[in-house]
Amino acid sequence: EVQLVQSGAEVKKPGESLKISCKGSGYSFTNYWIGWVRQMPGKGLAWMGIIYPGDSDTRYSPSFQGQVTISVDKSISTAYLQWTSLKASDTAMYYCARRGPSDGWFDPWGQGTLVTVSS
Amino acid sequence: DIQMTQSPSTLSASVGDRVTITCRASRSLSSWLAWYQQKPGKAPKLLIYKASSLESGAPSRFSGSGSGTEFTLTISSLLPDDFATYYCQQYASSPYTFGQGTILEIK
Repeated sequence: EVQLVQSGAEVKKPGESLKISCKGSGYSFTNYWIGWVRQMPGKGLAWMGIIYPGDSDTRYSPSFQGQVTISVDKSISTAYLQWTSLKASDTAMYYCARRGPSDGWFDPWGQGTLVTVSS
Repeated sequence: DIQMTQSPSTLSASVGDRVTITCRASRSLSSWLAWYQQKPGKAPKLLIYKASSLESGAPSRFSGSGSGTEFTLTISSLLPDDFATYYCQQYASSPYTFGQGTILEIK
């Protein structure tokens, strides 16, 4: 079974750093792009960026470029999303998802990681 | 970025109804459009890709149509399990933007 399992919920203070993870299993991890999607409380979905684990080629939405870093460790089939200095406005659910083999749709999705940033 | 606009934002319907949700793009997508269903507290699930291809395992009461800038998701006969939020997503051009969502609620 193809599966993406994300790390657990985080509570952080403004200015702290954070790295959340997404581990893939049940398929050839290096052959499929992995994307990250933000969902702020009560709001819709925002496409943040994607990474190709085979060569770490990364594409960001202009809205998130410079705000987050997407990376991957293919030796452990894990993608990451990280912040160097969190803001209260980063409070959201973050999903990872596997991109289709030749198209840009996402399936499957991870279960989500809730990030809460509060002083 | 390509802007995606869904309508309506909220749709009230009854079990057994046929419903249609529309998604409009700010420029042509050809057929590079997907639809997702999201239930409260859960991750989105892919329903339709390439505008009209039904994802394996998705119920056949869901169908998608359209090309260019206008697309529709139709549910032929609503079941209680279908009350959820639906999103379209374009993948013609990065960043692969989502619509704002349509909440399908019980009338």
